[in-house]
Amino acid sequence: AQSVAQPEDQVNVAEGNPLTVKCTYSVSGNPYLFWYVQYPNRGLQFLLKYITGDNLVKGSYGFEAEFNKSQTSFHLKKPSALVSDSALYFCAVRDPMYSGGGADGLTFGKGTHLIIQP
Amino acid sequence: DAGVIQSPRHEVTEMGQEVTLRCKPISGHDYLFWYRQTMMRGLELLIYFNNNVPIDDSGMPEDRFSAKMPNASFSTLKIQPSEPRDSAVYFCASSFGLVGSGNTIYFGEGSWLTVV
Repeated sequence: AQSVAQPEDQVNVAEGNPLTVKCTYSVSGNPYLFWYVQYPNRGLQFLLKYITGDNLVKGSYGFEAEFNKSQTSFHLKKPSALVSDSALYFCAVRDPMYSGGGADGLTFGKGTHLIIQP
Repeated sequence: DAGVIQSPRHEVTEMGQEVTLRCKPISGHDYLFWYRQTMMRGLELLIYFNNNVPIDDSGMPEDRFSAKMPNASFSTLKIQPSEPRDSAVYFCASSFGLVGSGNTIYFGEGSWLTVV
């Protein structure tokens, strides 16, 4: 089975400070990991993904994420937060070894509300 | 480039009525997914298609839900009869190639459904 957890429902950060949104996963093989962002009343927008290679992945809008296999984590980070980064962030996983129901889709976490305070 | 296009964006309907949600995937994409988003359950995969063929509908909640993909550029998700607990945001998404090969799923803007 494949699963992903976002332990924080909400993260509050002051504008200009670094931000981290946490994600941990559980898979039987080597995971494919994704981050998406959802602005109010909008669809999910792809930010970045880890497939293989360098553990630090850079994505859109200045975001990056670090894959840590020993800690089974894929935390989303940004060095300096903007008020416009306030949104709902989703981590998602795909286990290439998984062949159960919904195998060709992604399994999403519950989402983390990121609030950037001016 | 046009992304995934969904219609209607918002729908309010009465319990018992039929609801049809429509989706046009990104041109050239061979996988199409229907997801449902609710506060209680988050994002759930309902069904997905590969080359217009339904592959896995294990996420479809009940027989009241059905989905079709008559051609590569159009899919529908139908709820008949609708119930208040079907109120949710329904997302259509598409990808070129298997997610299991590291390909990315792209989402539409969603259809906000309210059943009263």
